[in-house]
Amino acid sequence: DTAVSQTPKYLVTQMGNDKSIKCEQNLGHDTMYWYKQDSKKFLKIMFSYNNKELIINETVPNRFSPKSPDKAHLNLHINSLELGDSAVYFCASSQALRTLSYEQYFGPGTRLTVT
Amino acid sequence: GESVGLHLPTLSVQEGDNSIINCAYSNSASDYFIWYKQESGKGPQFIIDIRSNMDKRQGQRVTVLLNKTVKHLSLQIAATQPGDSAVYFCAENMGTGRRALTFGSGTRLQVQP
Repeated sequence: DTAVSQTPKYLVTQMGNDKSIKCEQNLGHDTMYWYKQDSKKFLKIMFSYNNKELIINETVPNRFSPKSPDKAHLNLHINSLELGDSAVYFCASSQALRTLSYEQYFGPGTRLTVT
Repeated sequence: GESVGLHLPTLSVQEGDNSIINCAYSNSASDYFIWYKQESGKGPQFIIDIRSNMDKRQGQRVTVLLNKTVKHLSLQIAATQPGDSAVYFCAENMGTGRRALTFGSGTRLQVQP
C-alpha cells in the first residue's frame, strides 16, 4: 500500500529518557513534516524537510532533533523527555515540485506518553 | 500564533441532514485552503481544497466556500452519514512561499442516527 507509515504507534516512557519515532513514505514525495497534536487536538507543525534539507524549524526545544537519511524517511529523536512532550506526533509528506497543491498526506500518528 | 480558527467546537446533526462547518482566518495573504477529516485514532485525511482565486469548489457530497471579503471558509457536507463523524480541520497556506499549512483548532462533528 502507498502510504505514510510511522513506528511505533504507541510509546510510553519515563521522564528523562531518549526516544525516537520513525517515519517512512512511499509516495515519492520530496517534502516531509513532523506535527505535534496536543490533548485539545490542536495540530502544530514542528519541522519540514525538502530533499533531506531542513526548511521549516518552528519554535521547538533543542531536545527535538529531526533526521532525514533520505527523501523517503524523516525520523524524530527526542532527548530528555518531559511530561509536556506527551502528545500525538504525526508525520506527513507532500510533493513540492511541479504541483500547485499543498496537500499533505498524514501518517497514523504516534501517541507518546511520558510518565 | 494561529490565524485560523473555528466558531463551533462541536456540531451535532441528524443523519441525512446537511452539515456546515465554519472557519475564520485572519491572514489576507493566504492563497490556499484545505479541509481535513480526522477520525478517532487516525491521522488527518484530505477532504477538499480551494485556492484563493476561487470562491466555491465541489467534491463528492462536500462543498467548500471561500469568502475572502470576510476571511471565512466553510465546509458543507450533504446528507450527513454516521461515517462523517470526526474532527474537521481547516488549514491555510499563508502565501509566504513556505510550503506549510497552519491548522485551525478543529470542529467535532457528531452525527446522530
